Amino acid sequence: DGGITQSPKYLFRKEGQNVTLSCEQNLNHDAMYWYRQDPGQGLRLIYYSQIVNDFQKGDIAEGYSVSREKKESFPLTVTSAQKNPTAFYLCASSIRGAGEAFFGQGTRLTVV
Amino acid sequence: GIQVEQSPPDLILQEGANSTLRCNFSDSVNNLQWFHQNPWGQLINLFYIPSGTKQNGRLSATTVATERYSLLYISSSQTTDSGVYFCAVERDYQLIWGAGTKLIIKP
Repeated sequence: DGGITQSPKYLFRKEGQNVTLSCEQNLNHDAMYWYRQDPGQGLRLIYYSQIVNDFQKGDIAEGYSVSREKKESFPLTVTSAQKNPTAFYLCASSIRGAGEAFFGQGTRLTVV
Repeated sequence: GIQVEQSPPDLILQEGANSTLRCNFSDSVNNLQWFHQNPWGQLINLFYIPSGTKQNGRLSATTVATERYSLLYISSSQTTDSGVYFCAVERDYQLIWGAGTKLIIKP
C-alpha cells in the first residue's frame, strides 16, 4: 500500500540526547514536511524539502536538523539544543510543493 | 503573512445533528485543504478544494476564493466525527494552518 510511514510511534529521550525520527514515503512525492504539534494546538512547520538534497527552514527550525538524501526519506533529528522537545511530530508529503498533502501517523516524543 | 481563522473554536453536538465549520483567510491562496484529526492524532484528508463545492458522503465543503472563505458541512453527525477539524491554505509552496475547530459529538 502507498503511504507515509513514521517510526517510532513513541519515543523517549533523555536530557542532552539527540534523537532521530524516521519518515518514509512510497508515494513518489517530491515534497516532504515536518510539523510539530503541542497539546491543544495547531501544526507548526519545522522544515520542508521540495527536492532531494535541498531543504528549507520553517517557522520553528531551531534545535532541529534534517537531511534529504533520498526522495523517499526525510529524517528529522531533534538535537539537545531543542529546549522543549516534548511534542507530537507529524511528517507529510505532497506530489509537488504544497499540493494535496498526506500525513503519517506521527511520533510522540517525550523527554524523561 | 496570511492569517487563517477557523470558527467556532469548539462545538458540542448531539449525535444526528448537522454542523457548519468556517475557515476565513486573509489573502489569495493557491489551494485549500480540510483535515480531520482523530483522537489518536492521525490527520485524515477530507477535501482538497481551491474553489467550488465537493461532497463525500455526509461531508461536503464549499470554497469561495473571491470572498476568502471555506465552509465544511457535516450532516447527521456520528460519534466517530469527533476530533479536531483543520483547514490549511497553500501559499508559496507552504501550508498555513488554522487553529482548528474541536468537535465533540455526544451519543
